[in-house]
Amino acid sequence: NAGVTQTPKFRVLKTGQSMTLLCAQDMNHEYMYWYRQDPGMGLRLIHYSVGEGTTAKGEVPDGYNVSRLKKQNFLLGLESAAPSQTSVYFCASSFRHPGGYEQYFGPGTRLTVT
Amino acid sequence: DQQVKQNSPSLSVQEGRISILNCDYTNSMFDYFLWYKKYPAEGPTFLISISSIKDKNEDGRFTVFLNKSAKHLSLHIVPSQPGDSAVYFCAGGGATNKLIFGTGTLLAVQP
Repeated sequence: NAGVTQTPKFRVLKTGQSMTLLCAQDMNHEYMYWYRQDPGMGLRLIHYSVGEGTTAKGEVPDGYNVSRLKKQNFLLGLESAAPSQTSVYFCASSFRHPGGYEQYFGPGTRLTVT
Repeated sequence: DQQVKQNSPSLSVQEGRISILNCDYTNSMFDYFLWYKKYPAEGPTFLISISSIKDKNEDGRFTVFLNKSAKHLSLHIVPSQPGDSAVYFCAGGGATNKLIFGTGTLLAVQP
């Protein structure tokens, strides 16, 4: 049971290049999320999904697109990378239980845009 | 508007003593709160949670206290160990599936 995995772990992009970050979970969770973490800013929600085929915008969606074609996968795309997108990206998944929606996180992807 | 605030960016504690991490919130609609722990180069991991109808939840060395009237929660770690050194995030959740995270507090436990 791998939990939440993210690919790649590190990436360096030049301004204007594109890339896709892959998140996979094997816990059969309905809900998936993409966050970015920046110094002093905590975890900010980029996009999220409440089920296969659905996506929604979070707090900081500009410059990113997502897709959830399969329940276990959630892809985050950067069409034209900018230095402001240099960050650590975390994927998470969750399910609903009586206590709420505890989220399980992947190990992160460190992205540098030069 | 920052709905969840952790006003102390860092905290240093001696091994064996108590660590107290604080969190304030503004959203009265939160139904539950969670604490996550994050080591460098790893993702956050769930530590402990509390429902808004309770004022205390305990799990081993970790206890979370909730003061709804003050919109304040705290995480107590007793006794603190060097392995507890990490960034701690508090988060609030409500009726939706989303969590709102604070900015984190870096705890350093000195041997």
